[in-house]
Amino acid sequence: DAKTTQPPSMDCAEGRAANLPCNHSTISGNEYVYWYRQIHSQGPQYIIHGLKNNETNEMASLIITEDRKSSTLILPHATLRDTAVYYCIVPMDSSYKLIFGSGTRLLVRP
Amino acid sequence: EAQVTQNPRYLITVTGKKLTVTCSQNMNHEYMSWYRQDPGLGLRQIYYSMNVEVTDKGDVPEGYKVSRKEKRNFPLILESPSPNQTSLYFCASSHQGPRGEQYFGPGTRLTVT
Repeated sequence: DAKTTQPPSMDCAEGRAANLPCNHSTISGNEYVYWYRQIHSQGPQYIIHGLKNNETNEMASLIITEDRKSSTLILPHATLRDTAVYYCIVPMDSSYKLIFGSGTRLLVRP
Repeated sequence: EAQVTQNPRYLITVTGKKLTVTCSQNMNHEYMSWYRQDPGLGLRQIYYSMNVEVTDKGDVPEGYKVSRKEKRNFPLILESPSPNQTSLYFCASSHQGPRGEQYFGPGTRLTVT
């Protein structure tokens, strides 16, 4: 699988933007970047995915650099309920699997 | 409501006693998958299924079996559970395989003594 590197932990203040980085320097040209999050021990939740253009949905924005070697997930106004582990995933071309790394543990402070 | 359900949610059993964890989805998804999650090891894929009667091994298939006789159900079978299979298990489904948005079930916490 294309490897991703994320910081193990981050924190931000409630109401502020949370910017979660991910490096994926070995990504191939037609692979998407996926973001999921897991709140405590619940099932992971899909957030967003993108290929090369920036993407936005009701949950977050995804900014992918022009060379596609890194991306940033942005939670524009973080709330306490956004405290979770965030996973950045890039599957291989031929893989039918998603490999979840260790992710970034985001703590939103009151 | 679109959802993935798992049963049981919690199970404590003894070594060697066969068990089945059921997984069902109501979204007519073709792709389904099982993961286990252990502290420090993250989520690891056990088996996946691209469609009915089509299953394949993930990263940690040893000690597990699956079947996909109907599109909505994907049970995980432990023929002879061992303590090292104590874990949190998640089932997931997707319309577009692993590259589509995957919907995860609530999890099954299994303890094998």
